[in-house]
Amino acid sequence: EDQVTQSPEALRLQEGESSSLNCSYTVSGLRGLFWYRQDPGKGPEFLFTLYSAGEEKEKERLKATLTKKESFLHITAPKPEDSATYLCAVQAGGAQKLVFGQGTRLTINP
Amino acid sequence: SQTIHQWPATLVQPVGSPLSLECTVEGTSNPNLYWYRQAAGRGLQLLFYSVGIGQISSEVPQNLSASRPQDRQFILSSKKLLLSDSGFYLCAWSVLGEQYFGPGTRLTVT
Repeated sequence: EDQVTQSPEALRLQEGESSSLNCSYTVSGLRGLFWYRQDPGKGPEFLFTLYSAGEEKEKERLKATLTKKESFLHITAPKPEDSATYLCAVQAGGAQKLVFGQGTRLTINP
Repeated sequence: SQTIHQWPATLVQPVGSPLSLECTVEGTSNPNLYWYRQAAGRGLQLLFYSVGIGQISSEVPQNLSASRPQDRQFILSSKKLLLSDSGFYLCAWSVLGEQYFGPGTRLTVT
């Protein structure tokens, strides 16, 4: 069975304090790994797709990386507006659906 | 560009009443469509998905049903709501893999 585990469940950082969020997965033939950002009361916002081990994607202060077993979302010098829940999801080969992790709730204090 | 709409934004319904939530997508053809439910502070639970008109796959047995009467319209229904149906309902679409989410409907069953 395909599974996604995110850690930590919650993370509090000071503004400017860089850190990483982890997404560990087991899947039958990875077709894609996806990162989303979700603000309270809103739908998830798509951030990145990673397809193969070694791939990296960047957007502003965020960088996503992928290995054969996990993905990291690195946050460099975060700002309070980066506070949100970050969700990771995988798509298995041939599947039409995504399997989501439980998310990491990130809080950046000014 | 593609746009996804959900309505209503919020809904308060008594136990035993019927439910109809609607989702429409603009700017794309033959998308895959998805209904998710998200309980407070929890991850996304996939309820239904559809790869075409009239084609519905159910992921979780419950008192909900889904229909896709048109290519870009997805409807979530219930004949009799339960207290446990309360939650945040999200519709999403995809074509190539990554899913794009609507703004969501907050349902409270009283």
